[in-house]
Amino acid sequence: DTGVSQNPRHKITKRGQNVTFRCDPISEHNRLYWYRQTLGQGPEFLTYFQNEAQLEKSRLLSDRFSAERPKGSFSTLEIQRTEQGDSAMYLCASSTRTERPIGNTIYFGEGSWLTVV
Amino acid sequence: AQSVSQHNHHVILSEAASLELGCNYSYGGTVNLFWYVQYPGQHLQLLLKYFSGDPLVKGIKGFEAEFIKSKFSFNLRKPSVQWSDTAEYFCAVNYGGSQGNLIFGKGTKLSVKP
Repeated sequence: DTGVSQNPRHKITKRGQNVTFRCDPISEHNRLYWYRQTLGQGPEFLTYFQNEAQLEKSRLLSDRFSAERPKGSFSTLEIQRTEQGDSAMYLCASSTRTERPIGNTIYFGEGSWLTVV
Repeated sequence: AQSVSQHNHHVILSEAASLELGCNYSYGGTVNLFWYVQYPGQHLQLLLKYFSGDPLVKGIKGFEAEFIKSKFSFNLRKPSVQWSDTAEYFCAVNYGGSQGNLIFGKGTKLSVKP
């Protein structure tokens, strides 16, 4: 079973450095999502792609964050000039075309832990 | 603003006790509703979902949830919990049907004592 795959699983970085996370969605899923989760909170939506098009971005996604999905398959999430407040779990998820009845089941990866020191 | 509320932060039960976790969402028209579970050290897994039809939805591992539209609620239930149900449970809502993203509640941590 090839679920959503993320790497690295853990990243410790110094404040001010750039980090990049990669996500490989479930094969043939055309939608890909990025969420962020901090301790004691539920996941918060950051952005999503349909194929290679980035269709929605949350206000949480500051200018230091950029996500790409160049060929409509894997995606990267880059955080520039990291701050301590960026410390969180970054979750990737994917889904297929709209299901019947109308709906959209989203499958999550194991997440990438970021610690900014 | 669209939001999801989970009433209990931490629930502690003994094995064989019945479980009900509350979830309410703010009004927003068409909704799809989900419960996800996160076992210790594992990723979020889908327990069950509601898109339309029968408001009583059955999921994996003996869980069920009931969508009550008039109360904007989607409570999760299980008649008899097991120690292995110890996990964090998240209610999530997708507003607008097939478009957009999930809005999650803050989660309820369930601890089941053997």
